[in-house]
Amino acid sequence: TQLLEQSPQFLSIQEGENLTVYCNSSSVFSSLQWYRQEPGEGPVLLVTVVTGGEVKKLKRLTFQFGDARKDSSLHITAAQTGDTGLYLCAGEETSGSRLTFGEGTQLTVNP
Amino acid sequence: NAGVTQTPKFRVLKTGQSMTLLCAQDMNHEYMYWYRQDPGMGLRLIHYSVGEGTTAKGEVPDGYNVSRLKKQNFLLGLESAAPSQTSVYFCASSPHISGVATGELFFGEGSRLTVL
Repeated sequence: TQLLEQSPQFLSIQEGENLTVYCNSSSVFSSLQWYRQEPGEGPVLLVTVVTGGEVKKLKRLTFQFGDARKDSSLHITAAQTGDTGLYLCAGEETSGSRLTFGEGTQLTVNP
Repeated sequence: NAGVTQTPKFRVLKTGQSMTLLCAQDMNHEYMYWYRQDPGMGLRLIHYSVGEGTTAKGEVPDGYNVSRLKKQNFLLGLESAAPSQTSVYFCASSPHISGVATGELFFGEGSRLTVL
């Protein structure tokens, strides 16, 4: 199983601040997905990145896939309280139809 | 718009008891998965299925069995529950898209299991 490490594990910021969450591995992934999970619910897909170096923007969220397809980042600009949640990265293994999840980053945006 | 439905949502077991978690999806997805989520450990894959009648082991399969007799259902069984199996269990499904091994995962709301 290919491992994914997320950092930081916890992040508490004020509304309006910017932040970056990192997802790193020593292995190459075919693609990488980012999910957001709220308490009592299952994760919901935010984005999928497939090509090395790819950058995708979703309103105030910017996702980047590393050139070597081993790492990814999520940047949030001007965070809002509604961004609070658990952010999970998940890499698609090159060997099969399954995803490996990182440990998650618990983000709290304070008013 | 049911999507992925898990039952039961909560269950308390005593060590050694058995139980089955049911996952049902109404999106005609080929792939289905069972994950467990523990604090600080993200989601870990228990078993998965790429089609009706087929199952495969994931990252943490020991102590669990699964069956996929119908395309829309994926059952997770615990034959003899242990305290280490206390966790939140998530079922997910995804479509099979030609040229893409793993599409978007659609998750259920989770089943919280406590083993005393």
